[in-house]
Amino acid sequence: DAKTTQPPSMDCAEGRAANLPCNHSTISGNEYVYWYRQIHSQGPQYIIHGLKNNETNEMASLIITEDRKSSTLILPHATLRDTAVYYCIVRVYGSARQLTFGSGTQLTVLP
Amino acid sequence: NAGVTQTPKFRILKIGQSMTLQCAQDMNHNYMYWYRQDPGMGLKLIYYSVGAGITDKGEVPNGYNVSRSTTEDFPLRLELAAPSQTSVYFCASSPGQGGYGYTFGSGTRLTVV
Repeated sequence: DAKTTQPPSMDCAEGRAANLPCNHSTISGNEYVYWYRQIHSQGPQYIIHGLKNNETNEMASLIITEDRKSSTLILPHATLRDTAVYYCIVRVYGSARQLTFGSGTQLTVLP
Repeated sequence: NAGVTQTPKFRILKIGQSMTLQCAQDMNHNYMYWYRQDPGMGLKLIYYSVGAGITDKGEVPNGYNVSRSTTEDFPLRLELAAPSQTSVYFCASSPGQGGYGYTFGSGTRLTVV
């Protein structure tokens, strides 16, 4: 699976959009980008995933650059409850290797 | 829908004791996983199962055993507990091999003294 690089921490004002970047410059053509988050002391929660097109669901939007070397998770109107560690994971869709979590980005939403 | 249920939520073990962490899911997922998370660190895969009767090692299997006799249950056994096994343990399940849709339990916080 391709390696990912995320900033260790970010702050965002409540009500503003939170834009979390992820670099995956060695991504291969059949690898998807997955985002999970972990609110303090809880198990991780699936957010969204994509291959090359931008994706949106009720939680967030995922923007993947045309060369697929980086992506951005967007929380359009961050709330205090969005404070969490956000994990960007790259892997082949049907890979026998299981999901691997790195150190992620600690997002703190400020009142 | 309960999702993934883990018991107990907290446990203190003495060095050398054994215990079983319970995990049950009611979503009919074939795939189940055990992760551990040390303070300030990411999750590490201990064992996983792709269906009843099938289990395989993950990244950090030493000191643990698993079994999968039913689709619903995936218990994790700690034999001869050591302080290095102090951690938070998360069980998860997923509908398939895709990386989406993992559902995690609320975790078991284990301290070995």
